[in-house]
Amino acid sequence: GENVEQHPSTLSVQEGDSAVIKCTYSDSASNYFPWYKQELGKRPQLIIDIRSNVGEKKDQRIAVTLNKTAKHFSLHITETQPEDSAVYFCAALYVDSNYQLIWGAGTKLIIKP
Amino acid sequence: SAVISQKPSRDICQRGTSLTIQCQVDSQVTMMFWYRQQPGQSLTLIATANQGSEATYESGFVIDKFPISRPNLTFSTLTVSNMSPEDSSIYLCSVADSRAFFGQGTRLTVV
Repeated sequence: GENVEQHPSTLSVQEGDSAVIKCTYSDSASNYFPWYKQELGKRPQLIIDIRSNVGEKKDQRIAVTLNKTAKHFSLHITETQPEDSAVYFCAALYVDSNYQLIWGAGTKLIIKP
Repeated sequence: SAVISQKPSRDICQRGTSLTIQCQVDSQVTMMFWYRQQPGQSLTLIATANQGSEATYESGFVIDKFPISRPNLTFSTLTVSNMSPEDSSIYLCSVADSRAFFGQGTRLTVV
């Protein structure tokens, strides 16, 4: 079955620096890759997603890149701010199912003031 | 994006009892999902609930323990039956059209 690996599990960066979180997936047929941010005690919130027909997508300080050949995708956050502190989850769409997302284990991002 | 209302937001229950969690969506959606999330962990899919058909359960989850109803395209319930302390967790409903969105979650504590 589909598997998504996410690294690192914890990432601590200085405020203003960039953060990069990486995920790899196993199903070469996957064509949709969202990223969610989950603050403590709250629901996961979709922050950006990418489909397999593009290699990069940007939304202000957030960008996602996709390398289909290598089957990995990454979340890039630039000019990090304290409010970026949260757990981030990547996911990949499992094509053989009813829109079933396969989730990474999560990355706890800590922004140091 | 769909607006999802999930309730209760939290509950403390006695072991051996059951709790039903409700999820109401502001628009019609074909697919709804129920997840469990242990503290500090990722999301584990319990089952997929499509209107008009039986829910599809993932490995490790059974209908007798987690019965699901999906009476229409805007509503679903998940029941956690015969609860034990191991069922203490956060339960989340989710809907998907072209993107997936989540309810607020139900924090369940079984004592």
